Amino acid sequence: ETGVTQSPTHLIKTRGQQVTLRCSSQSGHNTVSWYQQALGQGPQFIFQYYREEENGRGNFPPRFSGLQFPNYSSELNVNALELDDSALYLCASSWKTLTTDTQYFGPGTRLTVL
Amino acid sequence: EDQVTQSPEALRLQEGESSSLNCSYTVSGLRGLFWYRQDPGKGPEFLFTLYSAGEEKEKERLKATLTKKESFLHITAPKPEDSATYLCAVQAPGANSKLTFGKGITLSVRP
Repeated sequence: ETGVTQSPTHLIKTRGQQVTLRCSSQSGHNTVSWYQQALGQGPQFIFQYYREEENGRGNFPPRFSGLQFPNYSSELNVNALELDDSALYLCASSWKTLTTDTQYFGPGTRLTVL
Repeated sequence: EDQVTQSPEALRLQEGESSSLNCSYTVSGLRGLFWYRQDPGKGPEFLFTLYSAGEEKEKERLKATLTKKESFLHITAPKPEDSATYLCAVQAPGANSKLTFGKGITLSVRP
């Protein structure tokens, strides 16, 4: 059974550019969630996709958008990058039921905005 | 709004010196409380899920417990390889099963 994978590992962009981060969910999972983790902080929820539909969103502006594909892979897109977007971006996948949703994280993508 | 506070921020132990990490939470109903371990520059690694007060779970040198307001992660006879940041998160009922995390506790175990 493969775990959650993310690409790329590291990325450097300049302010104003756009970026796409990718995630492959753990086999059999139906839900993917994205989190942003600034240095020294806990992860902050960006949004969640369940069966290809957005299923909740945290306190992030619309320039953060995402997609989930039929094979349960996912993308996080960020437009008009700002310096404060520099962080570790984490993808987590899960098999969501009515009562349980244990999320398993990938290794993350380190984004640096200059 | 769901909130999680972890204490202390950092903990330094001697190898073999047992201790506990604290996670205090406020949530509008609890679907689950989660503990993760995170090594520098890596993604969080799942440790435990606790669902109701009084529940306990163990894995090797780690034991997690849950009350209505707090969770504790007890580390018995830690080893240097237990050094990491330990994250606590809560999940409320509802369609949106987001995790709300604390800032984490950085544990250093000296040989």
